[in-house]
Amino acid sequence: DSGVTQTPKHLITATGQRVTLRCSPRSGDLSVYWYQQSLDQGLQFLIHYYNGEERAKGNILERFSAQQFPDLHSELNLSSLELGDSALYFCASSVGTQKQPQHFGDGTRLSIL
Amino acid sequence: GESVGLHLPTLSVQEGDNSIINCAYSNSASDYFIWYKQESGKGPQFIIDIRSNMDKRQGQRVTVLLNKTVKHLSLQIAATQPGDSAVYFCAENGSSNTGKLIFGQGTTLQVKP
Repeated sequence: DSGVTQTPKHLITATGQRVTLRCSPRSGDLSVYWYQQSLDQGLQFLIHYYNGEERAKGNILERFSAQQFPDLHSELNLSSLELGDSALYFCASSVGTQKQPQHFGDGTRLSIL
Repeated sequence: GESVGLHLPTLSVQEGDNSIINCAYSNSASDYFIWYKQESGKGPQFIIDIRSNMDKRQGQRVTVLLNKTVKHLSLQIAATQPGDSAVYFCAENGSSNTGKLIFGQGTTLQVKP
């Protein structure tokens, strides 16, 4: 058990809808990262938050947004969903901002019908 | 460009043998590397990391070797066990000063009893 909690485990929705994925980092970790894992793209970095502030953005679509709250949990919002958004979405956390192990949750599997 | 690639998509070994999983990285500015293990239905699990000021680091039954000259990373697993069967990913931090990780495509390790 990594200590990182993601909910829900599975999400099935339709095109055009909006969903929110939630992540609770390990106790004591201030950084939260979001990654997308798909069969054709592998694991791709989306965004990084540290202590409530955005630190880095990857290839995150404009339809996607995230935030980190004062209690350090994070949410990833995906809107105007398309079939191609079907993937596993992972959250990871670390104590600091770089050159430290990132510990991953077990992900949310998003299926768009 | 940024890319981390694995030489072999599938590695099959006999239980008790040693396993070596290889990884090539392209960004010479990368100075931090991690190996992850991912089992079916789970998130990536941290195995071991190494900074660029080292060329070897050992953990429990695992050793990571870093060759900066040829931009090559390897993970050695001693006395491979059936529980080691999984997909293994290498990741690098690239040239950014953030926690962003760039992942390789992964190698499937199959351990035959």
